[in-house]
Amino acid sequence: NAGVTQTPKFQVLKTGQSMTLQCAQDMNHNSMYWYRQDPGMGLRLIYYSASEGTTDKGEVPNGYNVSRLNKREFSLRLESAAPSQTSVYFCASSEAPKGAANEKLFFGSGTQLSVL
Amino acid sequence: GQQLNQSPQSMFIQEGEDVSMNCTSSSIFNTWLWYKQDPGEGPVLLIALYKAGELTSNGRLTAQFGITRKDSFLNISASIPSDVGIYFCAGTYGNKLVFGAGTILRVKS
Repeated sequence: NAGVTQTPKFQVLKTGQSMTLQCAQDMNHNSMYWYRQDPGMGLRLIYYSASEGTTDKGEVPNGYNVSRLNKREFSLRLESAAPSQTSVYFCASSEAPKGAANEKLFFGSGTQLSVL
Repeated sequence: GQQLNQSPQSMFIQEGEDVSMNCTSSSIFNTWLWYKQDPGEGPVLLIALYKAGELTSNGRLTAQFGITRKDSFLNISASIPSDVGIYFCAGTYGNKLVFGAGTILRVKS
């Protein structure tokens, strides 16, 4: 009963380094999301994928790229990390599409990223 | 972008007390969702509300979809130490899902 699995759990980067956050879900959901969580700001959508091969920018996409490799996996890449990208990152999935009345997100346990 | 105003920002209550928190907006939402985030974990869905005026319970938790569709509240009865965490409201607005900033709940045992 894994649900949404994210790796790594923690990561420290130096400014300018690159890395990829991995996410996989085993619930056969079409929709997948990447959010960042910053103190006092709730969850902000970085990118969304409605299905394999499709991705859409969210509220804060700058500095990130994503790849929906297949139905299960949705990765988030930081090409050149900046201190402003220090945050907790959550992957999520949903059976319903974004904005649907029955949209219910299932979240992974998060990646705490620090960029020095 | 559309904002949800969630209050209070934090609360520190005695074990056994009832808790109330709410979310308000200037716009109409189609659905309201309440999530809880335990320390070091991702948010978990507690309650989903789909109709204006709807009142739904999940154990000691009760949530209501405001009649104007611009607000929602969450009540926790007889709080216990494991209620500690961050509670988020979220609402569907057009094709967007918007999250509130969260209410941090701390319980004194």
